[in-house]
Amino acid sequence: ELKVEQNPLFLSMQEGKNYTIYCNYSTTSDRLYWYRQDPGKSLESLFVLLSNGAVKQEGRLMASLDTKARLSTLHITAAVHDLSATYFCAVDKTSGSRLTFGEGTQLTVNP
Amino acid sequence: DTGVSQDPRHKITKRGQNVTFRCDPISEHNRLYWYRQTLGQGPEFLTYFQNEAQLEKSRLLSDRFSAERPKGSFSTLEIQRTEQGDSAMYLCASSSGRQARDYEQYFGPGTRLTVT
Repeated sequence: ELKVEQNPLFLSMQEGKNYTIYCNYSTTSDRLYWYRQDPGKSLESLFVLLSNGAVKQEGRLMASLDTKARLSTLHITAAVHDLSATYFCAVDKTSGSRLTFGEGTQLTVNP
Repeated sequence: DTGVSQDPRHKITKRGQNVTFRCDPISEHNRLYWYRQTLGQGPEFLTYFQNEAQLEKSRLLSDRFSAERPKGSFSTLEIQRTEQGDSAMYLCASSSGRQARDYEQYFGPGTRLTVT
């Protein structure tokens, strides 16, 4: 059974600081997805990582994938309040199959 | 392209009643997925379709749950004899599924079900 683990589950940080969220998964996969969810809302796609060594950046967020270590990271640079949300990573075992999600990281950025 | 839409957005029902939710995927997306999310948890897979064929159903899904996608376009998810434990957000997603990049799943706004 595919398992996806994120840490930390809760992250409170100050504006302007940097931090990294980690996502480990238990089985071979070349694809990893990051989503953002605001309270009471649906999931917004942030990044699609499709190969070992893939790195994607959008604004203050940067995601990377190491398929050999079965690890993805989501790095936050100079956090701002607008980044406060819950971030999920997800993996599919085969292309287009079900997504298995991590528990989510609830990020709060304080002024 | 208007995105994935779901109806209703909220549903309150009494225990034992049946409920049906509808999902309209992004136009020409041939894969459609249903997930359930409870408070503080990540989405949990329920079932998915390629066109009208149901390809996989979660083992966690009881016989009270059924999903259809009769013409390969919209889908319905029915829950019979609802229980309080069915209270959750029901999310629908779609993907075009033609190339590796196109397996990205786009989520709808969800249907929040409350069983009293």
